[in-house]
Amino acid sequence: GESVGLHLPTLSVQEGDNSIINCAYSNSASDYFIWYKQESGKGPQFIIDIRSNMDKRQGQRVTVLLNKTVKHLSLQIAATQPGDSAVYFCAEINDNDYKLSFGAGTTVTVRA
Amino acid sequence: DAGITQSPRHKVTETGTPVTLRCHQTENHRYMYWYRQDPGHGLRLIHYSYGVKDTDKGEVSDGYSVSRSKTEDFLLTLESATSSQTSVYFCAISESTGGGYGYTFGSGTRLTVV
Repeated sequence: GESVGLHLPTLSVQEGDNSIINCAYSNSASDYFIWYKQESGKGPQFIIDIRSNMDKRQGQRVTVLLNKTVKHLSLQIAATQPGDSAVYFCAEINDNDYKLSFGAGTTVTVRA
Repeated sequence: DAGITQSPRHKVTETGTPVTLRCHQTENHRYMYWYRQDPGHGLRLIHYSYGVKDTDKGEVSDGYSVSRSKTEDFLLTLESATSSQTSVYFCAISESTGGGYGYTFGSGTRLTVV
């Protein structure tokens, strides 16, 4: 999707700190937004999703925030651990469509 | 990843040769997809299938064809490989439209065209 200056391709985080990963999406008509985690040599793995009629959703150690006004999505990871080091992608999809559209990804590195 | 396997995992091929990548699922999901992943890009959709013999193009379909003769197998063919098709290819399956529910990715095939 297009960048509005909020997306960073890399993020370095101290172990135990909270991480915030940002994503600017492109399609205001998307119904669902999803965060994926991709570890080296593996395919993307589902983390959490949020419907377009919500602005916040919490999971285990993760929270997704959606701001439709500025078409911005964020993923917050609490108490970041070494196992959280990965590339994180946001994706969007419509209810009556099959196809995910991905953002460029953010590489998160956790410092011990 | 459970329920979805890609083969081969790695392949090196020469420019101009045909290449076929295979995606096999054991989940009986209706929808299957081929994506490619390149540095600086997220995953981009090449082709997808919404049933046996039902396929359609994604955003980067030029130079690729697909076939789905059985529910469990989705083949991606590069008729004449080019260096621009060097990439990591991911297959994915999903059980329904919309949302991220049941959207599962394979482990990828790293293809190098020399």
